[in-house]
Amino acid sequence: EIVMAQSPATLSVSPGERATLSCRASQSVSSNLAWYQHKPGQAPRLLIYGTSTRATGIPARFSGSGSGTEFTVTISSLQSEDFAVYYCQQYNNWPITFGQGTRLEIK
Amino acid sequence: QVQLQESGPRLVKPSETLSLTCTVSGYSISSGYYWGWIRQFPGKGLEWIGSIYHSGNTYYNPSLKSRVALSVDTSKNQFSLKLNSVTAADTAVYYCAGITTAGFSDYWGQGTLVTVSS
Repeated sequence: EIVMAQSPATLSVSPGERATLSCRASQSVSSNLAWYQHKPGQAPRLLIYGTSTRATGIPARFSGSGSGTEFTVTISSLQSEDFAVYYCQQYNNWPITFGQGTRLEIK
Repeated sequence: QVQLQESGPRLVKPSETLSLTCTVSGYSISSGYYWGWIRQFPGKGLEWIGSIYHSGNTYYNPSLKSRVALSVDTSKNQFSLKLNSVTAADTAVYYCAGITTAGFSDYWGQGTLVTVSS
Protein backbone atom coordinates (compact mmCIF):
# COMPACT_ATOMS: atom_id res chain seq x y z
CA GLU A 1 0.00 0.00 0.00
CA ILE A 2 1.03 3.60 -0.48
CA VAL A 3 2.33 5.22 2.70
CA MET A 4 1.57 8.91 3.19
CA ALA A 5 3.90 10.94 5.40
CA GLN A 6 2.93 14.38 6.63
CA SER A 7 5.21 17.04 8.03
CA PRO A 8 5.53 18.62 10.41
CA ALA A 9 3.54 16.71 13.01
CA THR A 10 2.68 20.00 14.70
CA LEU A 11 2.90 23.52 13.31
CA SER A 12 2.56 26.61 15.49
CA VAL A 13 1.54 29.74 13.59
CA SER A 14 0.10 33.09 14.59
CA PRO A 15 -3.28 34.23 13.26
CA GLY A 16 -2.88 36.21 10.06
CA GLU A 17 0.30 34.41 9.06
CA ARG A 18 0.80 31.83 6.33
CA ALA A 19 0.94 28.11 7.01
CA THR A 20 2.32 25.46 4.68
CA LEU A 21 1.70 21.78 5.36
CA SER A 22 3.44 18.99 3.47
CA CYS A 23 2.54 15.49 2.41
CA ARG A 24 4.78 12.91 0.76
CA ALA A 25 3.69 9.66 -0.88
CA SER A 26 5.83 6.53 -0.95
CA GLN A 27 5.14 6.25 -4.70
CA SER A 28 3.47 8.41 -7.28
CA VAL A 29 -0.24 9.10 -6.77
CA SER A 30 -0.46 11.32 -9.83
CA SER A 31 -2.76 14.20 -8.85
CA ASN A 32 -5.14 11.99 -6.87
CA LEU A 33 -4.56 13.68 -3.55
CA ALA A 34 -7.09 15.21 -1.15
CA TRP A 35 -6.80 17.27 2.01
CA TYR A 36 -9.19 17.22 4.97
CA GLN A 37 -9.60 19.47 7.99
CA HIS A 38 -10.61 17.81 11.23
CA LYS A 39 -11.71 19.48 14.45
CA PRO A 40 -12.39 17.59 17.70
CA GLY A 41 -15.87 16.13 17.88
CA GLN A 42 -16.67 17.03 14.30
CA ALA A 43 -16.75 15.19 11.03
CA PRO A 44 -13.68 15.62 8.83
CA ARG A 45 -14.24 18.25 6.17
CA LEU A 46 -13.01 17.94 2.60
CA LEU A 47 -10.86 20.94 1.70
CA ILE A 48 -9.13 20.05 -1.54
CA TYR A 49 -9.26 17.23 -4.07
CA GLY A 50 -7.36 16.55 -7.25
CA THR A 51 -4.34 18.17 -5.54
CA SER A 52 -5.54 21.73 -6.08
CA THR A 53 -9.33 21.96 -6.50
CA ARG A 54 -11.09 23.51 -3.55
CA ALA A 55 -14.22 21.73 -2.38
CA THR A 56 -17.54 23.53 -2.31
CA GLY A 57 -17.57 26.39 0.19
CA ILE A 58 -13.84 26.31 0.97
CA PRO A 59 -12.35 29.82 1.19
CA ALA A 60 -9.79 30.96 -1.34
CA ARG A 61 -7.12 31.27 1.36
CA PHE A 62 -6.71 27.48 1.08
CA SER A 63 -4.63 26.34 -1.86
CA GLY A 64 -3.08 23.03 -2.82
CA SER A 65 -0.20 22.15 -5.09
CA GLY A 66 2.13 19.35 -6.06
CA SER A 67 2.16 16.19 -8.14
CA GLY A 68 3.54 12.69 -8.07
CA THR A 69 4.86 12.23 -4.56
CA GLU A 70 5.17 15.74 -3.07
CA PHE A 71 2.19 17.88 -2.11
CA THR A 72 1.45 20.94 -0.04
CA VAL A 73 -1.55 22.82 1.23
CA THR A 74 -1.11 26.49 2.06
CA ILE A 75 -3.36 28.66 4.16
CA SER A 76 -2.51 32.20 3.17
CA SER A 77 -3.73 34.10 6.23
CA LEU A 78 -4.74 32.00 9.18
CA GLN A 79 -8.11 32.61 10.76
CA SER A 80 -9.06 31.37 14.22
CA GLU A 81 -11.32 28.70 12.70
CA ASP A 82 -8.42 27.20 10.74
CA PHE A 83 -6.65 25.74 13.77
CA ALA A 84 -7.29 22.01 13.47
CA VAL A 85 -5.70 18.78 12.33
CA TYR A 86 -5.13 18.37 8.59
CA TYR A 87 -4.90 15.04 6.79
CA CYS A 88 -3.81 14.21 3.28
CA GLN A 89 -5.27 11.21 1.49
CA GLN A 90 -4.28 9.43 -1.71
CA TYR A 91 -6.95 7.80 -3.82
CA ASN A 92 -4.83 6.76 -6.75
CA ASN A 93 -4.40 3.17 -5.57
CA TRP A 94 -6.36 0.76 -3.43
CA PRO A 95 -6.34 0.75 -0.50
CA ILE A 96 -7.03 4.41 0.01
CA THR A 97 -4.53 5.69 2.57
CA PHE A 98 -4.19 8.75 4.78
CA GLY A 99 -1.29 10.59 6.31
CA GLN A 100 -0.90 10.73 10.08
CA GLY A 101 -1.97 14.35 10.18
CA THR A 102 -0.50 17.76 10.97
CA ARG A 103 -1.82 19.60 13.98
CA LEU A 104 -2.02 23.33 13.27
CA GLU A 105 -2.00 25.21 16.53
CA ILE A 106 -2.08 28.83 17.59
CA LYS A 107 1.32 30.33 18.36
CA GLN B 1 -28.29 18.81 2.51
CA VAL B 2 -26.66 15.40 2.68
CA GLN B 3 -26.29 13.99 6.17
CA LEU B 4 -24.87 10.73 7.41
CA GLN B 5 -25.45 9.30 10.88
CA GLU B 6 -23.79 6.27 12.42
CA SER B 7 -25.65 4.03 14.84
CA GLY B 8 -24.89 0.85 16.71
CA PRO B 9 -23.47 -0.49 19.98
CA ARG B 10 -20.74 1.62 21.54
CA LEU B 11 -19.29 -1.27 23.55
CA VAL B 12 -18.36 -4.62 22.08
CA LYS B 13 -16.77 -7.58 23.83
CA PRO B 14 -13.52 -9.08 22.55
CA SER B 15 -13.99 -11.84 19.94
CA GLU B 16 -17.51 -10.60 19.13
CA THR B 17 -18.76 -8.73 16.06
CA LEU B 18 -18.85 -4.96 15.76
CA SER B 19 -21.93 -3.84 13.84
CA LEU B 20 -22.64 -0.30 12.71
CA THR B 21 -25.23 1.21 10.41
CA CYS B 22 -25.07 4.50 8.56
CA THR B 23 -28.31 6.25 7.65
CA VAL B 24 -28.09 8.67 4.75
CA SER B 25 -30.52 11.55 4.40
CA GLY B 26 -30.81 14.13 1.67
CA TYR B 27 -29.40 11.83 -0.99
CA SER B 28 -30.34 8.45 -2.41
CA ILE B 29 -27.57 5.90 -1.91
CA SER B 30 -28.52 4.47 -5.30
CA SER B 31 -27.53 7.70 -7.03
CA GLY B 32 -23.90 7.02 -7.77
CA TYR B 33 -21.63 7.41 -4.77
CA TYR B 34 -19.63 4.75 -3.06
CA TRP B 35 -20.36 4.43 0.64
CA GLY B 36 -17.65 3.58 3.06
CA TRP B 37 -16.26 3.31 6.54
CA ILE B 38 -13.15 4.95 7.93
CA ARG B 39 -11.86 4.70 11.46
CA GLN B 40 -9.57 6.74 13.66
CA PHE B 41 -7.59 5.14 16.43
CA PRO B 42 -7.23 7.15 19.64
CA GLY B 43 -4.71 9.92 19.09
CA LYS B 44 -3.76 8.61 15.67
CA GLY B 45 -4.54 8.89 11.99
CA LEU B 46 -7.29 7.61 9.76
CA GLU B 47 -7.68 4.11 8.30
CA TRP B 48 -9.97 3.33 5.41
CA ILE B 49 -11.91 0.13 6.12
CA GLY B 50 -13.85 -0.43 2.93
CA SER B 51 -16.35 0.90 0.41
CA ILE B 52 -19.51 -0.43 -1.19
CA TYR B 53 -21.47 0.62 -4.23
CA HIS B 54 -25.27 0.46 -4.27
CA SER B 55 -25.00 -2.52 -6.62
CA GLY B 56 -23.18 -4.40 -3.89
CA ASN B 57 -19.66 -4.21 -5.28
CA THR B 58 -17.25 -3.98 -2.39
CA TYR B 59 -13.66 -2.93 -1.82
CA TYR B 60 -11.96 -3.79 1.42
CA ASN B 61 -8.69 -2.80 3.02
CA PRO B 62 -6.50 -5.92 2.66
CA SER B 63 -5.46 -5.58 6.30
CA LEU B 64 -9.08 -6.17 7.37
CA LYS B 65 -10.50 -8.14 4.48
CA SER B 66 -10.77 -11.42 6.33
CA ARG B 67 -12.86 -9.85 9.13
CA VAL B 68 -15.01 -7.20 7.46
CA ALA B 69 -18.26 -7.19 5.53
CA LEU B 70 -20.19 -4.24 4.14
CA SER B 71 -23.76 -4.31 2.99
CA VAL B 72 -26.28 -1.83 1.64
CA ASP B 73 -30.05 -1.55 2.09
CA THR B 74 -31.39 0.76 -0.58
CA SER B 75 -34.95 0.52 0.74
CA LYS B 76 -33.84 2.11 4.01
CA ASN B 77 -31.12 4.31 2.46
CA GLN B 78 -28.62 2.70 4.80
CA PHE B 79 -25.36 0.83 4.61
CA SER B 80 -23.71 -1.26 7.26
CA LEU B 81 -20.40 -2.49 8.59
CA LYS B 82 -19.67 -5.78 10.33
CA LEU B 83 -16.24 -6.44 11.77
CA ASN B 84 -15.82 -9.80 13.42
CA SER B 85 -13.38 -11.23 15.96
CA VAL B 86 -12.68 -7.80 17.40
CA THR B 87 -9.91 -7.05 19.87
CA ALA B 88 -8.95 -3.99 21.88
CA ALA B 89 -6.96 -2.86 18.85
CA ASP B 90 -10.26 -2.24 17.05
CA THR B 91 -11.24 0.45 19.55
CA ALA B 92 -11.65 3.58 17.45
CA VAL B 93 -13.98 6.28 16.24
CA TYR B 94 -15.81 4.87 13.24
CA TYR B 95 -16.95 7.24 10.51
CA CYS B 96 -19.26 6.51 7.65
CA ALA B 97 -18.68 8.50 4.50
CA GLY B 98 -19.88 9.16 1.00
CA ILE B 99 -17.05 8.51 -1.39
CA THR B 100 -16.95 9.86 -4.91
CA THR B 101 -16.18 7.50 -7.78
CA ALA B 102 -12.76 9.17 -7.87
CA GLY B 103 -12.09 8.09 -4.28
CA PHE B 104 -12.24 11.11 -2.00
CA SER B 105 -14.94 11.65 0.63
CA ASP B 106 -17.03 14.77 0.60
CA TYR B 107 -19.70 13.61 3.01
CA TRP B 108 -18.94 12.31 6.47
CA GLY B 109 -20.88 11.26 9.52
CA GLN B 110 -20.05 12.70 12.92
CA GLY B 111 -18.35 9.48 13.97
CA THR B 112 -19.07 7.08 16.78
CA LEU B 113 -16.59 5.78 19.36
CA VAL B 114 -16.69 2.01 19.63
CA THR B 115 -14.82 0.48 22.54
CA VAL B 116 -13.82 -3.16 22.61
CA SER B 117 -13.69 -4.31 26.20
CA SER B 118 -15.00 -7.07 28.39
